[in-house]
Amino acid sequence: NAGVTQTPKFRVLKTGQSMTLLCAQDMNHEYMYWYRQDPGMGLRLIHYSVGEGTTAKGEVPDGYNVSRLKKQNFLLGLESAAPSQTSVYFCASSTYTLAGTSTDTQYFGPGTRLTVL
Amino acid sequence: GENVEQHPSTLSVQEGDSAVIKCTYSDSASNYFPWYKQELGKGPQLIIDIRSNVGEKKDQRIAVTLNKTAKHFSLHITETQPEDSAVYFCAARDYQLIWGAGTKLIIKP
Repeated sequence: NAGVTQTPKFRVLKTGQSMTLLCAQDMNHEYMYWYRQDPGMGLRLIHYSVGEGTTAKGEVPDGYNVSRLKKQNFLLGLESAAPSQTSVYFCASSTYTLAGTSTDTQYFGPGTRLTVL
Repeated sequence: GENVEQHPSTLSVQEGDSAVIKCTYSDSASNYFPWYKQELGKGPQLIIDIRSNVGEKKDQRIAVTLNKTAKHFSLHITETQPEDSAVYFCAARDYQLIWGAGTKLIIKP
């Protein structure tokens, strides 16, 4: 199993450009998450999904959109990139308990380093 | 909402010595406290976790302690080795994980 994969690994954008980050997991997990990681600020949740076709806002959703058309994929879009979106983006996934809640362990991808000039 | 503070931001210890990283949280409803290790160029990976009904948990050289009254929890690594060098994150959750800012642990040979 590849686990959680992310593409691309690196990207440089100019202000105003758009792009989509792709996350894929082969563990049949229901829950998927997008985080951004900035120096001195830990991980902050952007958006998450509790299943195919569903998405929800996290702590810092402004300027981002997401889609979960297939269970194994979770896409993060930037419609008009800004320098403040320069960051490392991580995708994660987790499975669920019989009660329908997320289990505790989140499995992370290797990250995408995005620079917006 | 929940706020998690983590200290120190950088910790340098001699190989073989112990390392302690501390976190405090603000929301008394938080009931789950994981610790993740992030190696250079990789995503974070869970190394140990503790729930609010337990005071201490050990896994070989790693232990986590929780003080619910004071709202703080700590990661203890004994007999540190070069492969322990990494960034460590704590987190707290009532319905969503809130992360600390991270501690860079440096093991000096």
